[in-house]
Amino acid sequence: TQLLEQSPQFLSIQEGENLTVYCNSSSVFSSLQWYRQEPGEGPVLLVTVVTGGEVKKLKRLTFQFGDARKDSSLHITAAQTGDTGLYLCAGPAGNNRKLIWGLGTSLAVNP
Amino acid sequence: NAGVMQNPRHLVRRRGQEARLRCSPMKGHSHVYWYRQLPEEGLKFMVYLQKENIIDESGMPKERFSAEFPKEGPSILRIQQVVRGDSAAYFCASSPRPGGNTEAFFGQGTRLTVV
Repeated sequence: TQLLEQSPQFLSIQEGENLTVYCNSSSVFSSLQWYRQEPGEGPVLLVTVVTGGEVKKLKRLTFQFGDARKDSSLHITAAQTGDTGLYLCAGPAGNNRKLIWGLGTSLAVNP
Repeated sequence: NAGVMQNPRHLVRRRGQEARLRCSPMKGHSHVYWYRQLPEEGLKFMVYLQKENIIDESGMPKERFSAEFPKEGPSILRIQQVVRGDSAAYFCASSPRPGGNTEAFFGQGTRLTVV
C-alpha cells in the first residue's frame, strides 16, 4: 500500500522566517503534487514535480522531488501571513486513476 | 470559465435520511473524482467517473453510497440512510484528461453533518 507521510504535522512561525516541510514515502511515485488548502475551501494545486531531482520555484516557494522519486520537500523563504494554510502532498495511485494524500502540514505564520 | 461548483456547501441530515451532493465540473472536463476528508484521516479517494461511466469505485463503501455522472447535468454522490460516521467534508474534483498526473481542480466541498 502506498503511503505519504508529511512532517511536521503542525508548524507555527513568525513572519519573515524560512521553513521546510516534507513529504516522504517508501514507494516510488511517477509524480508528486503539492496543494494548499485554506479553511472551508478545497485544495488548490501549487505544483507537480515529475522528474527525480527536479526543483521548481513558485515565487518564494521551492519544491524539490527526491532523486529516487520517493520524497519531496517544500521550502518557503521569508514566510508571510498569507502563506498560512494546510499544505498537502499527493501522488497518483491505482493505475494512475486516483490520488493518495498525506495528512498535511498545518502552517501558521504569525505577524 | 467557472470553477468546479459543488452544492450545497453545508448539509445537515438526521440519521437515516438521504444526502445528495452535487458537483458540476469545469467546462470541458469529463473526468470527475470524489474525495472525503476527515481531520484525522486526510483526503481519501472514493470514486472516479467519466461521463455516464464509473471507472473506479474502489474507495466507496459498497453499501449506502452511490455515484453517477449522467450525460447531462452534474455528478451526484448519494448517501442513503446516513449515519454519524458519514459526517465529513466531501470534495469533487474535475480534470480534462484522465490520470493522476493531470491537474485536478477542486470544488469548495460539501460539509455534511449527520445529527
